[in-house]
Amino acid sequence: QSALTQPASVSGSPGQSITISCTGTNSDVGGYDYVSWYQQHPGKVPKLIIYEVFNRPSGVSNRFSGSKSGNTASLIISGLLPEDEADYYCTSYSPRTTPLVLFGGGTKLTVL
Amino acid sequence: QVQLVQSGAEVKKPGASVKVSCKASGYTFTNYYVHWVRQAPGHGLEWLGIINPSGGSTGYAQKFQGRVTMTSDTSTSTVYMELTSLRSEDTAVYYCARGQSYGDCGAWGQGSLVTVSS
Repeated sequence: QSALTQPASVSGSPGQSITISCTGTNSDVGGYDYVSWYQQHPGKVPKLIIYEVFNRPSGVSNRFSGSKSGNTASLIISGLLPEDEADYYCTSYSPRTTPLVLFGGGTKLTVL
Repeated sequence: QVQLVQSGAEVKKPGASVKVSCKASGYTFTNYYVHWVRQAPGHGLEWLGIINPSGGSTGYAQKFQGRVTMTSDTSTSTVYMELTSLRSEDTAVYYCARGQSYGDCGAWGQGSLVTVSS
């Protein structure tokens, strides 16, 4: 069981928007603005797409956005494209525990 | 450009140890932390620990305490992750990733497959 809770799967049609949630506690997600999101295509290396809740690294499409409310962070993907089909993982800083960095269990996004 | 190049695949017997290397280039080695993350076949990502190449301080996930050791060599800009007392459940791709102490891993190595099998 992962420390951060994500839905196992979500799906959407091309052009639609989807949201992936990531729920923790006030000791991690809710306590710090250090939530990141990673995209991983099958057989590929994870790629950072959102850092510190809502920031996008250079080169990441603005169709990806992040937010947080209380102990739940969210990744929003708008204007779904077929190439968005991948696994998505959230992470959060958790300085009071070991592991120091918590991962969510991952969400499989299917673009129908 | 920032690159993290890891050592190759390894096959180990149960009870053995493995040491994976991660050579960094394209940035100031001591300015960023290095995280180690693994992914078992068909499973999600799991955080093993972190090392600060500037000084060598480390932090390990409790699950791996006593079995994992992370070190760094500033002369070669290389970090190492050694895992001992291997069991079949340790079969996974092991990644190094450059980031901050709190995560934000913007650059990853290509991964090193470690297979534990008798």
